[in-house]
Amino acid sequence: EDQVTQSPEALRLQEGESSSLNCSYTVSGLRGLFWYRQDPGKGPEFLFTLYSAGEEKEKERLKATLTKKESFLHITAPKPEDSATYLCAVQAFNNNDMRFGAGTRLTVKP
Amino acid sequence: EAGVTQSPTHLIKTRGQQVTLRCSPISGHTSVYWYQQALGLGLQFLLWYDEGEERNRGNFPPRFSGRQFPNYSSELNVNALELEDSALYLCASSLNIDKEEKLFFGSGTQLSVL
Repeated sequence: EDQVTQSPEALRLQEGESSSLNCSYTVSGLRGLFWYRQDPGKGPEFLFTLYSAGEEKEKERLKATLTKKESFLHITAPKPEDSATYLCAVQAFNNNDMRFGAGTRLTVKP
Repeated sequence: EAGVTQSPTHLIKTRGQQVTLRCSPISGHTSVYWYQQALGLGLQFLLWYDEGEERNRGNFPPRFSGRQFPNYSSELNVNALELEDSALYLCASSLNIDKEEKLFFGSGTQLSVL
């Protein structure tokens, strides 16, 4: 069965303190790995899709990378507005639904 | 262009009652997904509809059911509500099931079962 595990569960950073979030996955034939951001009381908002090991994507202070077993979301010099829950999800070739991890709740203090 | 819309935004029910949640996908999207997000937990996959048919369902009891209409909107029905059904129910839509396709989420329906 497809599994997605995210760590840490929660992360508190000072503004400007860079760090990384981890997403470990097991899936029978990865079609895509997705990162979403979720603010309180709202639905998740799409950030990135990664398709194959070695791929990297960047958006402002965020950079996502992918290996055969895990993905990292690197946050460089975060700001308080980056505070949110970051969700990782996988989609398999044999099953088009998307399976999510429990998320990492990021808090960035000024 | 309107995003995914869900109604109602909040709902309070008592144990044993039944509830219907509604979702309108983005125009042109044929796939609709339903997820349950209980407090402190991740998104749990409930149901996936495409072109009016149920394509897959998650590990939930049969009292969770739904349907998709010809205009691609969808309903999620939950019968015999239990306290642990209290959660945020999220609907998402996507354009193409044959490709790696990102999901667009609504803001959810917050269901409280007392």
